[in-house]
Amino acid sequence: EVQLVESGGGLVQPGGSLRLSCAASRFTFRSYAMGWVRQAPGKGLEWVSAITGSGDNTYYADSVKGRLTISRDNSKNTLYLQMDSLRDGDTAVYFCAKQMFDSGDGYKYYFDYWGQGTLVTVSS
Amino acid sequence: EIVLTQSPATLSLSPGERATLSCRASQSVSSYLAWYQQKPGQAPRLLMYDAFNRATGIPARFSGSGSGTDFTLTISSLEPEDFAVYYCQQRKSWPITFGQGTRLEIK
Repeated sequence: EVQLVESGGGLVQPGGSLRLSCAASRFTFRSYAMGWVRQAPGKGLEWVSAITGSGDNTYYADSVKGRLTISRDNSKNTLYLQMDSLRDGDTAVYFCAKQMFDSGDGYKYYFDYWGQGTLVTVSS
Repeated sequence: EIVLTQSPATLSLSPGERATLSCRASQSVSSYLAWYQQKPGQAPRLLMYDAFNRATGIPARFSGSGSGTDFTLTISSLEPEDFAVYYCQQRKSWPITFGQGTRLEIK
């Protein structure tokens, strides 16, 4: 079965940086768009960013545009999220997630597999 | 940005009862809407996509309906494992957005 394993979370001061990684296995990574979704403590889901399978196109929520950068290395089956200029409001569990494929209708920007999440805490 | 509003915020029901959850979009999303289930300490699980299609492995007691701006997730007869938080998500336009969630709790 598809496996997604996030790493890189931790405690960082406001204004600091962090890079999250998501190691993917058991599917053809380069064929699927991937995304990051976060969840602040006790709150709902917030989509953060997505990237196409080739890496040629990226998409961001307004709340993170210019501060967070999504990328991927298809030779390593790994997704990244570079997080700069971090704020208190970025404190959350960050999930990586795989785009779904419908055999009858193709790729869709829903997420059918998710990692277990990695906690980012922004605090002084 | 398309805003998704879910109602009710909390739904209290007993096992065996029927659950009806609503998701309303601030503008039409056609049928490009999904539902997810999330249990405490777990990642979300995709239940329905494109409004009425069940994802792989999802039991038939889950069904979805709607198009345009109004959508419904129905659980025909609640099982104990169905008590969780449910989110809708649209893919009609960027940015992708989620609703704020409906908590389905045991009465």
